[in-house]
Amino acid sequence: GQNIDQPTEMTATEGAIVQINCTYQTSGFNGLFWYQQHAGEAPTFLSYNVLDGLEEKGRFSSFLSRSKGYSYLLLKELQMKDSASYLCAVGNYGQNFVFGPGTRLSVLP
Amino acid sequence: DSGVTQTPKHLITATGQRVTLRCSPRSGDLSVYWYQQSLDQGLQFLIQYYNGEERAKGNILERFSAQQFPDLHSELNLSSLELGDSALYFCASSPRPTSGGYEQYFGPGTRLTVT
Repeated sequence: GQNIDQPTEMTATEGAIVQINCTYQTSGFNGLFWYQQHAGEAPTFLSYNVLDGLEEKGRFSSFLSRSKGYSYLLLKELQMKDSASYLCAVGNYGQNFVFGPGTRLSVLP
Repeated sequence: DSGVTQTPKHLITATGQRVTLRCSPRSGDLSVYWYQQSLDQGLQFLIQYYNGEERAKGNILERFSAQQFPDLHSELNLSSLELGDSALYFCASSPRPTSGGYEQYFGPGTRLTVT
């Protein structure tokens, strides 16, 4: 099976950098994905990793280490609008897709 | 706007009833996923269809069923509704993976309230 752990809540200051961690225990997956979800809204895709290493996408970067069962999402130059939940997910195309519980990030002025 | 549409936006119904939620994927996407998100709960994967065929099944109750039609829209049927079925139901679609990655695009969701 697949079990995904994320910190429940984090707080950071506007303009700062924050790292949201995701650890997982899984028998195998193709991709690891990060989504942003504002309260009451739909998740929006941020980034994915298929290979180990860092994927950079503007202010967002995601890292994956399969050997360590670990991923993180790095958010730079934090803005107030980045206050949201961040969901880590693993899955294989055509198979089950599992989301973590999400990390609620609060960005303070 | 993700390009995925869901109707209705809100639905209020009584216990024991049956409802149908509808989803249209983004143009060109063949895969449709259904998720349930209860208050303060994470996203629970229910079921996936690809080009009309069921591909993966998650934590979907026997009272729930889904299908994907030839025009690729999908419907999620929820029957014998219970109070605990009150949740946000999301549909998502994805393109066929190319380099091994495939992002999912989520619709705005249907908020179901069972009274």
